[in-house]
Amino acid sequence: GEDVEQSLFLSVREGDSSVINCTYTDSSSTYLYWYKQEPGAGLQLLTYIFSNMDMKQDQRLTVLLNKKDKHLSLRIADTQTGDSAIYFCAESRGYSSASKIIFGSGTRLSIRP
Amino acid sequence: EPEVTQTPSHQVTQMGQEVILRCVPISNHLYFYWYRQILGQKVEFLVSFYNNEISEKSEIFDDQFSVERPDGSNFTLKIRSTKLEDSAMYFCASTRGSSYEQYFGPGTRLTVT
Repeated sequence: GEDVEQSLFLSVREGDSSVINCTYTDSSSTYLYWYKQEPGAGLQLLTYIFSNMDMKQDQRLTVLLNKKDKHLSLRIADTQTGDSAIYFCAESRGYSSASKIIFGSGTRLSIRP
Repeated sequence: EPEVTQTPSHQVTQMGQEVILRCVPISNHLYFYWYRQILGQKVEFLVSFYNNEISEKSEIFDDQFSVERPDGSNFTLKIRSTKLEDSAMYFCASTRGSSYEQYFGPGTRLTVT
């Protein structure tokens, strides 16, 4: 089946690390993505990871993939107020560039001062 | 930095009317997509398009929907006879084809009354 699950809300203190978790059901997933959506805006691609990798780091962002448990996480170091947004976990399958992306429900990240 | 653009940002239409949502993908991209997000729900895949034909479509994409690339820059989604349940944010996306990074536009909010 097609299912990507995320918790709906996360609240962190400014300066702390945020960890957003995601699980997916299909073991044939080839690419896993994190998108960011700010209020009233579109979907911004933050990062993605190929399924044969277990970690990817890009500045303040770290993606961890546990393929055995079908678990993906996004860690944002030194969380800032500008990181307030909805974060979508997503996957695609197959090796065609026409492959659709399947999204989770999104995690709303809020930052406490 | 090149980006996907969409017009209009907000479209209000009466039930039964035809609407055309317009997108200008990133210029050297070859694969094009439409997704929609009903308020409070997940982002859902509608259709992918490559080489002037549909590559894949979802169950949502029934005979009321059509897509077209009328010239070298635009990519359109037409809904022939809108229903109340078509009210949603519609996102266009594109990818180069040599990568799996789908870049999304800011969306068109369609309100059917």
